[in-house]
Amino acid sequence: AQRVTQPEKLLSVFKGAPVELKCNYSYSGSPELFWYVQYSRQRLQLLLRHISRESIKGFTADLNKGETSFHLKKPFAQEEDSAMYYCALSGPGGGADGLTFGKGTHLIIQP
Amino acid sequence: ETGVTQSPTHLIKTRGQQVTLRCSSQSGHNTVSWYQQALGQGPQFIFQYYREEENGRGNFPPRFSGLQFPNYSSELNVNALELDDSALYLCASSPRGPSLGYTFGSGTRLTVV
Repeated sequence: AQRVTQPEKLLSVFKGAPVELKCNYSYSGSPELFWYVQYSRQRLQLLLRHISRESIKGFTADLNKGETSFHLKKPFAQEEDSAMYYCALSGPGGGADGLTFGKGTHLIIQP
Repeated sequence: ETGVTQSPTHLIKTRGQQVTLRCSSQSGHNTVSWYQQALGQGPQFIFQYYREEENGRGNFPPRFSGLQFPNYSSELNVNALELDDSALYLCASSPRGPSLGYTFGSGTRLTVV
């Protein structure tokens, strides 16, 4: 069964410090990995996809198939990064199994 | 470009009743998915519709059913409501499955008493 694990429910760092939100997954095959973010009083939105290898709002994430991880990183945290972050995976292709989400990590950036 | 809209925003139902939640997809998106999010949990996949056909389903019983209409709007129906069905129900649309990323609605908060 596919599974996404986000070991930290809450992560608090100071502004300007590096941030790393951990995500480990279990999937037999080649999954597609995503990070979704939910800012306060806003809807869930896509932050980035591993397949596009992009950097959004200074965040990057590298898929490590050996360690089955897809950690989200940012070198210098900003206060506006405070939000709920969800790691998610889907099977390849049309993704008829939908997305499997982790439980989320609440990131708090302290001034 | 319109986003995903869901109605109603909040709903209170009694155990054993039936409920219908509605979703209007983002323009140009022909795939819609529904998710259940319990408090403190990540969203959990219920099912997905593509061009009016269900083409994927999560681990939910048959009393959770859905429809997608020709304009790609969608409904989620839940029969014989149970207390554990209390959750936020999210609708998400995409051009074709999750690969390009979903656009989520704000959700419907269902409380079963």
